[in-house]
Amino acid sequence: QSALTQPPSVSGSPGQSVTISCTGTSSDVGSYNRVSWYQQPPGTAPKLMIYEVSNRPSGVPDRFSGSKSGNTASLNISGLQAEDEAEYYCGSYTSTNTLWVFGGGTKLTVL
Amino acid sequence: QVQLVDSGGGVVQPGRSLRLSCAASGFTFSTYGMHWVRQAPGKGLEWVAVISYDGSNKYYADSVRGRFTISRDNSKNTLYLEMNSLRAEDTAVYYCAKSIHGGYYYGFDYWGQGTLVTVSS
Repeated sequence: QSALTQPPSVSGSPGQSVTISCTGTSSDVGSYNRVSWYQQPPGTAPKLMIYEVSNRPSGVPDRFSGSKSGNTASLNISGLQAEDEAEYYCGSYTSTNTLWVFGGGTKLTVL
Repeated sequence: QVQLVDSGGGVVQPGRSLRLSCAASGFTFSTYGMHWVRQAPGKGLEWVAVISYDGSNKYYADSVRGRFTISRDNSKNTLYLEMNSLRAEDTAVYYCAKSIHGGYYYGFDYWGQGTLVTVSS
């Protein structure tokens, strides 16, 4: 069982928007702005999409945005495109001795 | 450009050892924390270990503490993971990953391609 909770799957049609949630605790998401999101198409290494809750690395489209409220972080993808279909993972620093935790992953399907 | 190349994976019997390597280039390796993250077949990501930029601080996941050792050689721009007493549940693709900032609290901005470790008799 993963430390952070994500929905197993979400879906949307091209052009629509979807939101993926990531729920943690006061030991991780709730207390630190160190949440990041990773995109992983099948058979490839993860790619950083959002860091420190809402920052986008260069090269990531502004269709991707992040936010946080309390113990829950969210990744919003607007203007869905076929190339967005992938598994998405959230991750967070944690004050426990584990140091870093991930969510279980959410499979995004573009219909 | 930043490049991380993972190597050293293979098939190993339970109880045996294996050492993974990650060759880094395209950035000042000696100024960044480095991590290992693994992914069992068909499963999600699991953080394994981190080492500070100078090797003075190391942290491990509960599942590998006492069996795995992370280390680095800044003169060779290389990260290592020594894995001992391997178990079937250690079977996974192992990725090295670079810290976003110099420390190691902020996540991972570049990942290696991964190397598969299979523990089986």
